[in-house]
Amino acid sequence: GQQLNQSPQSMFIQEGEDVSMNCTSSSIFNTWLWYKQDPGEGPVLLIALYKAGELTSNGRLTAQFGITRKDSFLNISASIPSDVGIYFCAGGDMRFGAGTRLTVKP
Amino acid sequence: DAGVIQSPRHEVTEMGQEVTLRCKPISGHDYLFWYRQTMMRGLELLIYFNNNVPIDDSGMPEDRFSAKMPNASFSTLKIQPSEPRDSAVYFCASSPRGYHSSYNSPLHFGNGTRLTVT
Repeated sequence: GQQLNQSPQSMFIQEGEDVSMNCTSSSIFNTWLWYKQDPGEGPVLLIALYKAGELTSNGRLTAQFGITRKDSFLNISASIPSDVGIYFCAGGDMRFGAGTRLTVKP
Repeated sequence: DAGVIQSPRHEVTEMGQEVTLRCKPISGHDYLFWYRQTMMRGLELLIYFNNNVPIDDSGMPEDRFSAKMPNASFSTLKIQPSEPRDSAVYFCASSPRGYHSSYNSPLHFGNGTRLTVT
């Protein structure tokens, strides 16, 4: 079956730094979705991508749908303490990557 | 819109007991998903429903797990008998219609049920 590989597994950064994480798949997808999970809550959608090559921004977040349709990345610029959490990618079949756990030091 | 509602928020039970987790999806959403989250395995898709019909239950761990959706506003996930390795956070999520493919619809998650089996 398809497998989503998300990296890095964890990141420890200083406030103000930029962050980049990515997700690759063994299958082609028509959709890439990025979610964030805060402690004690369910994941919340950050960005949805529907077209190969698409680059979409949401505030300090930018995500791209890879041209091969097998990968996607998420960038966070000028990180702040509330960016702490787990970031997940999901392909069109609603299965999730293992997540990237982000820690931001003030 | 109240969002996806799950109950209970926390459940502690003894091995061998039956456990029932409940979910109320967002009104008008055609798809309902059950996930399990653990540190070791991450977020696993257990089963999903479309219009109250189970479509894919390939993620259900074993026969001890069962899920039902008797109507559009309610679903249950039951574990009988429960075992310590079932300890996890169980999430329910629903997905709206109106997109070009329901597979591609973003999910709306509840806040989960934290299950501890001792």
